[in-house]
Amino acid sequence: DVKVTQSSRYLVKRTGEKVFLECVQDMDHENMFWYRQDPGLGLRLIYFSYDVKMKEKGDIPEGYSVSREKKERFSLILESASTNQTSMYLCASSLGQGADTIYFGEGSWLTVV
Amino acid sequence: AQSVAQPEDQVNVAEGNPLTVKCTYSVSGNPYLFWYVQYPNRGLQFLLKYITGDNLVKGSYGFEAEFNKSQTSFHLKKPSALVSDSALYFCAVRDMDSNYQLIWGAGTKLIIKP
Repeated sequence: DVKVTQSSRYLVKRTGEKVFLECVQDMDHENMFWYRQDPGLGLRLIYFSYDVKMKEKGDIPEGYSVSREKKERFSLILESASTNQTSMYLCASSLGQGADTIYFGEGSWLTVV
Repeated sequence: AQSVAQPEDQVNVAEGNPLTVKCTYSVSGNPYLFWYVQYPNRGLQFLLKYITGDNLVKGSYGFEAEFNKSQTSFHLKKPSALVSDSALYFCAVRDMDSNYQLIWGAGTKLIIKP
């Protein structure tokens, strides 16, 4: 089975802090994604990556950056956390595109106070 | 533009009754369609997908979905609901002829009452 592991399930950070959310997949998938989930808004894509050191902006990249130094690891960075970034963050991966299934991690609940 | 609509925010069904969670889509080409389920405080789990071929797709946990091209719909169904099916369900679509990312519906909360 594909396993996507998000290192932190619950985090509480202060406004202005730099926050790192880490994600690792164990299936040699090419593609990795970071989504944000908020009630009533569904899933919104923040960033995705098709290859090592490659990144593409999604629908809501403002206030976020990402890093993919190794194929299995995709990190989401909040340079200066703000209260409106309080949310559930979901990491996902897929082998390719098209009909390939996307597999999700368990999610990271981030609260910014 | 691609889009997905889940017209019901919440669906209530009695245990043992059949359930349907609705999804309609809009793409310029042919679609890849997906259903995912999310249990409380968990990530999304893949249920099933339509690629091509038979319009009735069978998936995990006894769920199935019917692709209807003329109605641009991909409704999720189960013949007999279980209380444990209570969760949030997401439909998603990708245009076969493009390299676009998956477009997600807003989700439907399914509540199964004993």
